[in-house]
Amino acid sequence: EIVMTQSPATLSVSPGERATLSCRASQSVSSNLAWYQQKPGQAPRLLIYGASTRATGIPARFSGSGSGTEFTLTISSLQSEDFAVYYCQQYNNWPPWTFGQGTRVEIK
Amino acid sequence: EVQLVESGGGVVRPGGSLRLSCAASGFTFDDYGMSWVRQAPGKGLEWVSGINWNGGSTGYADSVKGRFTISRDNAKNSLYLQMNSLRAEDTALYHCARGYDLLTSWGQGALVTVSS
Repeated sequence: EIVMTQSPATLSVSPGERATLSCRASQSVSSNLAWYQQKPGQAPRLLIYGASTRATGIPARFSGSGSGTEFTLTISSLQSEDFAVYYCQQYNNWPPWTFGQGTRVEIK
Repeated sequence: EVQLVESGGGVVRPGGSLRLSCAASGFTFDDYGMSWVRQAPGKGLEWVSGINWNGGSTGYADSVKGRFTISRDNAKNSLYLQMNSLRAEDTALYHCARGYDLLTSWGQGALVTVSS
């Protein structure tokens, strides 16, 4: 099973600032990496797939990069609605697909 | 608009069974694989099971293998999860999701509580 490790666990950021979230895979997942956003009381929402492709309707301030074992989600200028928990997920080796433990982005 | 609505959650004793359903609408159901993902209270996401478009291929997390069975009825636009031999650690919100690998839409979830 591929283990996904996200860092940091919590990121404190002021509105308008940049946020950089990391995700590391225990072995290569090529570019088969997705990012999801989950707000309290809501279902997760797909943000990024293929490591760097934004899903439909996702604002351009969200960008993803990386391949192999190291990945990054960047939010260029945090808006109030971006404070949430973010999960990475590998879909290269199945079963199982695996998620990271999440990074909480909170208001500084 | 894609809609996924889970039902069938509830409180069950350890060792008991429960069957979750997911009603899909707003897309061509049999064009997509489907998955179940769970989230224990206050915890992260755990992929549970997936099924391809026609039910010919399924997969399970090791934690549920042999106890849970995923199935689908394309004529009814519905996804199911039969859960047997339930344990306390199966307590979670169970989300239905569109996709076999990439999970493009999610339901709000059905809460399953395993407790004596």
